[in-house]
Amino acid sequence: AQSVAQPEDQVNVAEGNPLTVKCTYSVSGNPYLFWYVQYPNRGLQFLLKYITGDNLVKGSYGFEAEFNKSQTSFHLKKPSALVSDSALYFCAVRDTNNAGNMLTFGGGTRLMVKP
Amino acid sequence: SQTIHQWPATLVQPVGSPLSLECTVEGTSNPNLYWYRQAAGRGLQLLFYSVGIGQISSEVPQNLSASRPQDRQFILSSKKLLLSDSGFYLCAWSSLAYNEQFFGPGTRLTVL
Repeated sequence: AQSVAQPEDQVNVAEGNPLTVKCTYSVSGNPYLFWYVQYPNRGLQFLLKYITGDNLVKGSYGFEAEFNKSQTSFHLKKPSALVSDSALYFCAVRDTNNAGNMLTFGGGTRLMVKP
Repeated sequence: SQTIHQWPATLVQPVGSPLSLECTVEGTSNPNLYWYRQAAGRGLQLLFYSVGIGQISSEVPQNLSASRPQDRQFILSSKKLLLSDSGFYLCAWSSLAYNEQFFGPGTRLTVL
């Protein structure tokens, strides 16, 4: 079985400050990890993924995430937050042996960036 | 490039009425297709997925059903809607070339 935890329902950060949205996971094999962003009344938009290789993954809109196998974490980060980054963020995981590309999503974290 | 469409964008239906939501994908062949429901702007609940025409797997027993009449068409249906069916319905696709899923714009369903 696979699972994802996003321990924070909401993260508040001031514009220009660095942001971190936390994600921890559990899978039986090696993980594939993903971050998505959702703006109000829109579908989920893919931000970045970790499949293999470098533990630091760079994605869209200046976001990056660091894969930490020992801590089973994949936290989303950005050096300088923008007001326009305010949205709902989802972490997702799948096992490398998972047929059908079935993803398990976390409950989501609402990011609020204040001017 | 690939695109995914959902319609309608919004729908208001009375309790007990039927439902049909449609999802189509362009620019790819034999995709895996998924239906999710999102309540109150939070977590996603996987409802159905399909790996091919006529192949449907249900994740959650309920009064909804899904069908895949064509390779790139995925339909979500109900014979009689319940108040609890209200929510934001998302369709997604994936394929062997991609590890991630790609989502459509969603349908906002309100059952009154």
